[in-house]
Amino acid sequence: DSGVTQTPKHLITATGQRVTLRCSPRSGDLSVYWYQQSLDQGLQFLIQYYNGEERAKGNILERFSAQQFPDLHSELNLSSLELGDSALYFCASSVDTAWGNYGYTFGSGTRLTVV
Amino acid sequence: ELKVEQNPLFLSMQEGKNYTIYCNYSTTSDRLYWYRQDPGKSLESLFVLLSNGAVKQEGRLMASLDTKARLSTLHITAAVHDLSATYFCAWEGAQKLVFGQGTRLTINP
Repeated sequence: DSGVTQTPKHLITATGQRVTLRCSPRSGDLSVYWYQQSLDQGLQFLIQYYNGEERAKGNILERFSAQQFPDLHSELNLSSLELGDSALYFCASSVDTAWGNYGYTFGSGTRLTVV
Repeated sequence: ELKVEQNPLFLSMQEGKNYTIYCNYSTTSDRLYWYRQDPGKSLESLFVLLSNGAVKQEGRLMASLDTKARLSTLHITAAVHDLSATYFCAWEGAQKLVFGQGTRLTINP
């Protein structure tokens, strides 16, 4: 157990639907990152939150959004789902201080299948 | 545009042999990470390389970083079947990790 908890582990849904993926970071970590892993695109950075604030944005579609709550857990919302959104979605957390980042811990991922 | 390129992308080798995976990146970074991923599983951190000339070893795996050449290597010594997995290098910068394509390593008895 890495300490980063993602739920659900598997999700099957139909095109056009909306889903929410949840991530609880490791205790003490303030930063949460979302990554998408697909066969054709590899591992792609989506978005980062630090202590509730959006800090960096990557190749995240407009149909996708995320937020980090006061208790530091994060949710990734995917809407108007398409077949191509089928992927493994990872959350990672890190201790991000003024002196730098001390490494990233990844959760076990949520496998999303859009049918 | 930042590029992180690994080679080879696929590697099939026999137990007992040595081999090296290469990771080239296009933009200077202070940190380079190596991860292991088993099929359908999460990413397991192997090494964090923090400076030019850094070398780290864990068991049969050794990683090095040459920031001037923008190159990191992951060397496998006397491979065993348990090391079969996909290995990723990742460049850190601008509040994120940028991953290479991954090297799928298969070690045959």
